[in-house]
Amino acid sequence: QSALTQPRSVSGSPGQSVTISCTGTSSDVGGYNYVSWYQQHPNKAPKLMIYDVSKRPSGVPDRFSGSKSGNTASLTISGLQAEDEADYYCCSYAGSYTLVFGGGTKLTVL
Amino acid sequence: EVQVVESGGGLVQPGGSLRLSCAASGFTFSNYWMHWVRQAPGKGLVWVSRINDGGSSTTYADSVKGRFTISRDNAKNTLYLQMDSLRAEDTAVYYCGRDPVAWYFDLWGRGTLVTVSS
Repeated sequence: QSALTQPRSVSGSPGQSVTISCTGTSSDVGGYNYVSWYQQHPNKAPKLMIYDVSKRPSGVPDRFSGSKSGNTASLTISGLQAEDEADYYCCSYAGSYTLVFGGGTKLTVL
Repeated sequence: EVQVVESGGGLVQPGGSLRLSCAASGFTFSNYWMHWVRQAPGKGLVWVSRINDGGSSTTYADSVKGRFTISRDNAKNTLYLQMDSLRAEDTAVYYCGRDPVAWYFDLWGRGTLVTVSS
């Protein structure tokens, strides 16, 4: 149950695009299409942004998109806005009815 | 309103016990799997445990296996986490999360803080 690997921080200017990677193994990210992404603002509960690798819940802007290649999943945020500044976490099914999160990525909007 | 609300956190000594609750409302609780996720101060999210909709199947992270017990009472729309043999490293905000039987969390509570310290 090792945590998935995410960059500690990423940044971008308003209007730009950023991509956050999430690297696991063939036992989690690479083995299943059960990757989800969560946004967490300081002292707030996490919020679902992407599920099943690339599906977006209703109410989440289409600026947020997800993808996967091999053992690495990615979250791309296009048209960055100030309110996107937050921590982002990936999560994957890891077999045997368990889940594993990434270490989290702090997004700074410059 | 669709929501889950955690309670039961507090200060406990190492080796002690605590039971957390998560009260669900606004949806059919018995249709969903439920999970506990924790977040140590200034750290990331860590999955703790999961229970299926009927309560017959449970799984745990290795770090809590044998010490924590997840359960639910569908008649009371409530999820529980019994935490025994608590350690300083269990100090965290504990969140409950709703899972539509698809391995993601579509609803989170605001969390309850557990502090393990002498």
